[in-house]
Amino acid sequence: GIQVEQSPPDLILQEGANSTLRCNFSDSVNNLQWFHQNPWGQLINLFYIPSGTKQNGRLSATTVATERYSLLYISSSQTTDSGVYFCAVYTSGTYKYIFGTGTRLKVLA
Amino acid sequence: GAVVSQHPSWVICKSGTSVKIECRSLDFQATTMFWYRQFPKQSLMLMATSNEGSKATYEQGVEKDKFLINHASLTLSTLTVTSAHPEDSSFYICSATRGGNFNQPQHFGDGTRLSIL
Repeated sequence: GIQVEQSPPDLILQEGANSTLRCNFSDSVNNLQWFHQNPWGQLINLFYIPSGTKQNGRLSATTVATERYSLLYISSSQTTDSGVYFCAVYTSGTYKYIFGTGTRLKVLA
Repeated sequence: GAVVSQHPSWVICKSGTSVKIECRSLDFQATTMFWYRQFPKQSLMLMATSNEGSKATYEQGVEKDKFLINHASLTLSTLTVTSAHPEDSSFYICSATRGGNFNQPQHFGDGTRLSIL
């Protein structure tokens, strides 16, 4: 089945720093989502981005489907950005979503 | 819009008890819902795909008789952990897409923390 790898696995930043999180997938996908899981376990939908670039405030995401990767950019990070970031991909042949391995982010004040 | 409600949020019970978790789409119809399990510091693992009016599709390695899924309406899916044991303790979370359309984003409930003593 499709493999979804995220990097880096862990990231520690000072407040105000910028970062790039990567999601690589091993096969073609029909859609891709980025999520932030907060310390209480809630999954916050950040982007639905099967291709192209989207921006929402300090966050932006780019998916290059032909090269099988997606990037999540966090600018001017804040302590509330701490948590785990997941990408999840859907392939029409499987009719299901597969989650990536996750990036655990800690932003220090 | 696209709110998914999951209850209960926390359950602590004795070994051997059966526990039911509900997942409701509050403002949209969800032909398909998904059930995930997450162990501490790990990613979400898909357990099963729940289809309204038909049997659920379970992932390899997930015991159908242990994790009973019912999707009786377009807004409600339930996961019952039967005769739960300590190894079933985990974080369970559901998701739904509008009308079962996979070209729509997933929307997640807030999850259920299950602790079996």
